[in-house]
Amino acid sequence: AQTVTQSQPEMSVQEAETVTLSCTYDTSENNYYLFWYKQPPSRQMILVIRQEAYKQQNATENRFSVNFQKAAKSFSLKISDSQLGDTAMYFCAFMKHADSGAGSYQLTFGKGTKLSVIP
Amino acid sequence: DGGITQSPKYLFRKEGQNVTLSCEQNLNHDAMYWYRQDPGQGLRLIYYSQIVNDFQKGDIAEGYSVSREKKESFPLTVTSAQKNPTAFYLCASKAGLGISGANVLTFGAGSRLTVL
Repeated sequence: AQTVTQSQPEMSVQEAETVTLSCTYDTSENNYYLFWYKQPPSRQMILVIRQEAYKQQNATENRFSVNFQKAAKSFSLKISDSQLGDTAMYFCAFMKHADSGAGSYQLTFGKGTKLSVIP
Repeated sequence: DGGITQSPKYLFRKEGQNVTLSCEQNLNHDAMYWYRQDPGQGLRLIYYSQIVNDFQKGDIAEGYSVSREKKESFPLTVTSAQKNPTAFYLCASKAGLGISGANVLTFGAGSRLTVL
């Protein structure tokens, strides 16, 4: 079974500064997907960014980027120029590739990091 | 606009009563999921369904039941056998293989169940 660990239950950052959220995972799979989801106070889950394990290039989406270290099984999220609207719970998640057979449709989540952006 | 609709948003239940949470999607997605969220626990998978008339247990299926009679609908019943049902419940869906974005789950807005 896959596990996802987020070691920082809470973090804070000043507006306009940069913050990095950590995520590690444990798997014996070679092909898989990694995700960061955001859950603001409205509790709506929103996809922030995704990474395919076979791609060495780190994914970026505007102010959001990841540092994917496959050998270390690490997948951190960097938020640049933090904005008040970034205040939310952030969840790291893992999904096996479709070719991996059983369980390949399941998304496994970490316990989340609560990020507060301070004005 | 396409999306996932969960209802009701808030639900109160007396101990010993069954309750059904609704989840409807108009995204033409093949797979649907139910997750439970508790403070400090992240999201835990209750049940998922890859196709109509088929579903599998997730990590915490005890005390819950589902059905998948239509592609668009995946209702979750919280039975009286669930020992601690007070939680936030999230429904999600995902496109089938071969579809662009097939590995991304889209979530509904959630349902908050409180047992009195």
